[in-house]
Amino acid sequence: DTAVSQTPKYLVTQMGNDKSIKCEQNLGHDTMYWYKQDSKKFLKIMFSYNNKELIINETVPNRFSPKSPDKAHLNLHINSLELGDSAVYFCASSRMTDGEQFFGPGTRLTVL
Amino acid sequence: GENVEQHPSTLSVQEGDSAVIKCTYSDSASNYFPWYKQELGKRPQLIIDIRSNVGEKKDQRIAVTLNKTAKHFSLHITETQPEDSAVYFCAASFLGHYGGATNKLIFGTGTLLAVQP
Repeated sequence: DTAVSQTPKYLVTQMGNDKSIKCEQNLGHDTMYWYKQDSKKFLKIMFSYNNKELIINETVPNRFSPKSPDKAHLNLHINSLELGDSAVYFCASSRMTDGEQFFGPGTRLTVL
Repeated sequence: GENVEQHPSTLSVQEGDSAVIKCTYSDSASNYFPWYKQELGKRPQLIIDIRSNVGEKKDQRIAVTLNKTAKHFSLHITETQPEDSAVYFCAASFLGHYGGATNKLIFGTGTLLAVQP
């Protein structure tokens, strides 16, 4: 039983392309998150949705656009990819009032 | 802004020794402090957490302490084993229904723990 899943696991693409990462959770959680982990392993929150409403929107370039079609899904679309976008992107989910966030397996994005 | 400092960045211990990782947070509204373990190439996973109404929590070989006045919290691992080798992250957030709580986790910079057999 996969709790938080992401697709794809690996994504290799050229600069300037547009790509999407999808996330799904089957834990019944009401809140989902996107994190970016760079090459130095720093983990930084990007976005969060609670019941399909955007509640966290960090200082991320507007080339990044999250979308939550329902409480169980959160997607991340990235336009005009740049070299600096190369990182591992983690999706996570939780209940809003429970602290524990469950992370997906990550998507390793490489921009050439 | 919100910030969590974590030390040391790397820690090497002999199997059976104890390991201590320390964090300091800046936002006095923070009330939830989890610790995540991330093995190489894997996802972060929660190993223990503590809320601001508790000073200490223990789970088998791991324990966490919190000093709200000093805004410090620490992870203690006793009787370390090679499988404890990983990157450990502390984090802080403001958890709750009201007052603008968003459960936004601010992570520390991570500690690479190596347990030598």
